[in-house]
Amino acid sequence: NAGVTQTPKFRVLKTGQSMTLLCAQDMNHEYMYWYRQDPGMGLRLIHYSVGEGTTAKGEVPDGYNVSRLKKQNFLLGLESAAPSQTSVYFCASGLAGVDEQYFGPGTRLTVT
Amino acid sequence: GEDVEQSLFLSVREGDSSVINCTYTDSSSTYLYWYKQEPGAGLQLLTYIFSNMDMKQDQRLTVLLNKKDKHLSLRIADTQTGDSAIYFCAEIPSGAGSYQLTFGKGTKLSVIP
Repeated sequence: NAGVTQTPKFRVLKTGQSMTLLCAQDMNHEYMYWYRQDPGMGLRLIHYSVGEGTTAKGEVPDGYNVSRLKKQNFLLGLESAAPSQTSVYFCASGLAGVDEQYFGPGTRLTVT
Repeated sequence: GEDVEQSLFLSVREGDSSVINCTYTDSSSTYLYWYKQEPGAGLQLLTYIFSNMDMKQDQRLTVLLNKKDKHLSLRIADTQTGDSAIYFCAEIPSGAGSYQLTFGKGTKLSVIP
């Protein structure tokens, strides 16, 4: 049982490049989330999903897209990376409701 | 929007108690959480408290909730160097249909040997 895994762990992009971050969970959780963590800002929700085939916007969705084609995977896409998207990205999943959210180890992204 | 406030830093000596404070704005929040983030890692749930409780104790951890003042605190007894981490207070605001957590900015706890 691996829990929540994220790939890649680190990435450096040039401005304008695109990439996809992959989140996978093996706990059969319905809810999945993408957060970004910036110094002094805490965690902010980018997008989330309440089940396979569903996605919704969080607090800071601009510049990102997501897809949840399979229940166990939640993909975060950057179509045209900008330096403001330099951050640490965390994926999380949960069963439902007020249950604990389980976090992945994070992806550190630098956009130059 | 809703806001969760925490002080950014706390430094304590090993063996002392640590108290990390948090204020939140949504009086309808049902659950309030404390997450711990160790360096280079994701967040892990430490403990949580239901809004109809005033206190919850779990080994070295004591959570106090003052609903009137919207104040939440986490006390760590006999603080150890392994407790050095960032601690996040979080709530699920009312109306958050997906149970999205709203986090504070985190309190960095440094334990001095």
